[in-house]
Amino acid sequence: AQTVTQSQPEMSVQEAETVTLSCTYDTSESDYYLFWYKQPPSRQMILVIRQEAYKQQNATENRFSVNFQKAAKSFSLKISDSQLGDAAMYFCAYRRGETSGSRLTFGEGTQLTVNP
Amino acid sequence: EPEVTQTPSHQVTQMGQEVILRCVPISNHLYFYWYRQILGQKVEFLVSFYNNEISEKSEIFDDQFSVERPDGSNFTLKIRSTKLEDSAMYFCASTGRMNTEAFFGQGTRLTVV
Repeated sequence: AQTVTQSQPEMSVQEAETVTLSCTYDTSESDYYLFWYKQPPSRQMILVIRQEAYKQQNATENRFSVNFQKAAKSFSLKISDSQLGDAAMYFCAYRRGETSGSRLTFGEGTQLTVNP
Repeated sequence: EPEVTQTPSHQVTQMGQEVILRCVPISNHLYFYWYRQILGQKVEFLVSFYNNEISEKSEIFDDQFSVERPDGSNFTLKIRSTKLEDSAMYFCASTGRMNTEAFFGQGTRLTVV
């Protein structure tokens, strides 16, 4: 079974600084997708960024980028120029790639605080 | 932008009562899901639904739970006899044939008293 681990229950960062959230996963599959979801206090799940396992290039979305290390099964999220609105729970998630209908497996989450 | 909508946003029910949580997935999506998040815990998969049948379910999804797509737009989760431990946030999600990411609704907070 696939597992996703986020070893940092809480992180904090100063506004305008950079922070990196860690995620590791375990799978025997070769085709899969990885995601970071943001959950603000409203508890809505918002997709931040995704990475296809077959792509070597790390995904970027504006201030958000990932460091995808396939051999190490590591998928960290870097937030640059942190803003107060970035404060939220962040979940790393895994999905098998063989079918669009496969489930997401989530990590435990990292609560990010942004200090003004 | 198309979105997944869930109703109600908050439901309070007495233990032993039946509840139905409703979702309208994105209109051209084919795969539908229910996830659960107990307060302070991670998001857990319950069930996926494709082509009018369950395609996968977790060990949480026991006989107390059922899903249905009664018409072309709604997707429902029924809990037959609620327990206190069913109190959680329930998220509906959908994906299209070519989508890699799931789009989530805003969730229904279920409180069983």
